[in-house]
Amino acid sequence: DVKVTQSSRYLVKRTGEKVFLECVQDMDHENMFWYRQDPGLGLRLIYFSYDVKMKEKGDIPEGYSVSREKKERFSLILESASTNQTSMYLCASSFAGGGEQYFGPGTRLTVT
Amino acid sequence: GEDVEQSLFLSVREGDSSVINCTYTDSSSTYLYWYKQEPGAGLQLLTYIFSNMDMKQDQRLTVLLNKKDKHLSLRIADTQTGDSAIYFCAERVSSASKIIFGSGTRLSIRP
Repeated sequence: DVKVTQSSRYLVKRTGEKVFLECVQDMDHENMFWYRQDPGLGLRLIYFSYDVKMKEKGDIPEGYSVSREKKERFSLILESASTNQTSMYLCASSFAGGGEQYFGPGTRLTVT
Repeated sequence: GEDVEQSLFLSVREGDSSVINCTYTDSSSTYLYWYKQEPGAGLQLLTYIFSNMDMKQDQRLTVLLNKKDKHLSLRIADTQTGDSAIYFCAERVSSASKIIFGSGTRLSIRP
């Protein structure tokens, strides 16, 4: 079974804090993705990575950065958290050719 | 540009069929997907259809694709309370690794 795990299910941070969200997959997938999910807006792609140390901006990269030092791990970083980054964050992975993405359970982040 | 649209809510009676509709804009879509998200969980792939097919059936699920109208639907026969979830339509465009998701349709089941 493919497993995508995320470091926290729930997180509460203060405005201005640096926040790290970690994602690990065990299927040797080349591609990894970070989305945020907001009611009525569906999933919006923040960043994705198709190889170690490679990254591409998605549709809403502003205020976020990412790191992929190892194939199985993809981190999302909020350099200075703001209240409008309160959201559900979902990580996903897939093989190099694309296709089906496997999702983690999500991290619900609240910034106060 | 690429866009996937679906209605936000659907309510059906237990035992009836549910039909969730989706439209997409990119004619170069290769695969179209239906994902299910149960409360508090991530998305799980329910089924998919290749763009050169017009129908796919898998137990209670039937996917219909109308390429001319860029319309995709998911029919769930004999809807059960366990089918309550958000259903996302998604398209994969040409050879890209990215998938474009719709906003999700929340399916609720009434007794």
